[in-house]
Amino acid sequence: GAVVSQHPSWVICKSGTSVKIECRSLDFQATTMFWYRQFPKQSLMLMATSNEGSKATYEQGVEKDKFLINHASLTLSTLTVTSAHPEDSSFYICSARGIGRENTEAFFGQGTRLTVV
Amino acid sequence: DAKTTQPTSMDCAEGRAANLPCNHSTISGNEYVYWYRQIHSQGPQYIIHGLKNNETNEMASLIITEDRKSSTLILPHATLRDTAVYYCIVRVRNYGQNFVFGPGTRLSVLP
Repeated sequence: GAVVSQHPSWVICKSGTSVKIECRSLDFQATTMFWYRQFPKQSLMLMATSNEGSKATYEQGVEKDKFLINHASLTLSTLTVTSAHPEDSSFYICSARGIGRENTEAFFGQGTRLTVV
Repeated sequence: DAKTTQPTSMDCAEGRAANLPCNHSTISGNEYVYWYRQIHSQGPQYIIHGLKNNETNEMASLIITEDRKSSTLILPHATLRDTAVYYCIVRVRNYGQNFVFGPGTRLSVLP
């Protein structure tokens, strides 16, 4: 199946700093990428949808100035958590969808565990 | 997208078949049933999907009732590595839409 890779797998940062998470589609072109957040013992919650070359669409309650999303190419999207605070600590997951065989199922990255201290 | 209802948790003995039910009584004619699972601290993994016919792949079988109001995911020979949260999602087959995850079923495969 199609492969989506996230980096880093985990990161610890100090409060007030910014953290960038990368999501890459390794063997297909991702026209659309989705960013989810998952708190402990909860399900995945969609944060934003990004289409290559255009601005991301954010879900209600998600601050676009805090969670910067860049989808500059068909194989890479980045999520930057700016001025991180302890309440931003969570498991962040991206998924990608593209053309061809991958245009119906979504494939997910392995997730990034962010801990803000 | 139609809502789904799944049991909160289930246990299964290792080597036995795991049958995970899902109710989707408000499913529309153009909505597919998808199953994903999430092993602890990993991203969701695609398992299988179907419209109205039963489906089988190397991971599992999907049985959809004739009225399409419910389905069952079958793991024929569960192993300890199948312990995970299993999500049943109903949605239109459209590349532009995201997947909406409910709470899922926490399957524990016991030795």
